[in-house]
Amino acid sequence: AQSVTQLDSHVSVSEGTPVLLRCNYSSSYSPSLFWYVQHPNKGLQLLLKYTSAATLVKGINGFEAEFKKSETSFHLTKPSAHMSDAAEYFCVVSDERTYKYIFGTGTRLKVLA
Amino acid sequence: EAQVTQNPRYLITVTGKKLTVTCSQNMNHEYMSWYRQDPGLGLRQIYYSMNVEVTDKGDVPEGYKVSRKEKRNFPLILESPSPNQTSLYFCASSLAGGLEAKNIQYFGAGTRLSVL
Repeated sequence: AQSVTQLDSHVSVSEGTPVLLRCNYSSSYSPSLFWYVQHPNKGLQLLLKYTSAATLVKGINGFEAEFKKSETSFHLTKPSAHMSDAAEYFCVVSDERTYKYIFGTGTRLKVLA
Repeated sequence: EAQVTQNPRYLITVTGKKLTVTCSQNMNHEYMSWYRQDPGLGLRQIYYSMNVEVTDKGDVPEGYKVSRKEKRNFPLILESPSPNQTSLYFCASSLAGGLEAKNIQYFGAGTRLSVL
């Protein structure tokens, strides 16, 4: 069965410092992994996706994530946080055997001036 | 413009009064899905549809129905809403699911439902 664990429900960083949002997954088959962002009172927007190509995936707005099979992780990073990055972030897993998408419980990122 | 459109955006109703939330996409996507979002629980999949006339349960299907008579539309039906169905609902579509699970999902703007 698939599952996703986002290890932090809230993360606070200062503007200009690095961001790390952690995600661990479980999947019996080759997973597809996604990060979505949701700004307050908005819908969801795709940041990036991993689908068995390069393990380091670059997304929009300077975000990237690294797929580590040995650690079953797909952590999201950004070198320098911007105020506009304040939002909720969701890690999502799916795989070729199922038509389901499993969302993590979300990490709320706060960026301090 | 490619989009997923949900209606209504906000809805207040009373227990037991049947309601339908509509979802339409203009991208000719095969796969469509409904989610509910609750604080601390993330998004949970209610139902999904791989194509016309093909639907299946997600993780939280109790109290909901769906239909997929046309490719572009995927309405969510609450036959007898209850207060525990108060939530934020999202419809999504993608080119395909399953073997093509790498396809990204496009989300509607959400429907905030309150059941009194």
